[in-house]
Amino acid sequence: EVQLVESGGGLVQPGRSLRLSCTASGFTFGDYAMSWVRQAPGKGLEWVGFIRSKAYGGTTEYAASVKGRFTISRDDSKSIAYLQMNSLKTEDTAVYYCTRESIAVGGNWFDPWGQGTLVTVSS
Amino acid sequence: QSVLTQPPSVSEAPRQRVTISCSGSSSNIGNNAVNWYQQLPGKAPKLLIYYDDLLPSGVSDRFSGSKSGTSASLAISGLQSEDEADYYCAAWDDSLNVVVFGGGTKLTVL
Repeated sequence: EVQLVESGGGLVQPGRSLRLSCTASGFTFGDYAMSWVRQAPGKGLEWVGFIRSKAYGGTTEYAASVKGRFTISRDDSKSIAYLQMNSLKTEDTAVYYCTRESIAVGGNWFDPWGQGTLVTVSS
Repeated sequence: QSVLTQPPSVSEAPRQRVTISCSGSSSNIGNNAVNWYQQLPGKAPKLLIYYDDLLPSGVSDRFSGSKSGTSASLAISGLQSEDEADYYCAAWDDSLNVVVFGGGTKLTVL
């Protein structure tokens, strides 16, 4: 069974850092791009960013709202994707989902999704 | 303000058919595939339709997707109470170089 499990969420003060982990199982992790999507309380989904597979350079893309503050990385030997969040702001408060990304010509989609981990940024 | 525009809510009676629209532009829907996600209350999102109109394994064929130009639609036939959820469209945007989501549509089965 393909499964993604996020961890590392919690309460953090504005300006501080937090690192989320996404542990994958049930598929060849290194073959896939991995994305992070967040959802603020009572709001819709917002794409945070993704990291391509090593076969495609392992490069990253980010939403403008987090660029320069958030960094996505991966450890294919452990089947883990990370989201390093620095200089956190109150508006970063959200449930953060990890998701596997499939890419084809002219399209990409997210399946499956983890259960999410809540990050609360507050003093 | 989301890049993709969806109606905030739709409602319909059980066993009826409902459609949810998603409007974008040439840089996203007009040039890239549209995906739909279902989010049941308190749950993580789930892939419902991918590549405009393809059904993932295990998803009921009561769900269908279509696209024309810069707009896409999700149709749900034979509505059931368990279909009550939030539905999101999404696509890659070539101009912004990001994945864009619609604001979500809350479906109520009357």
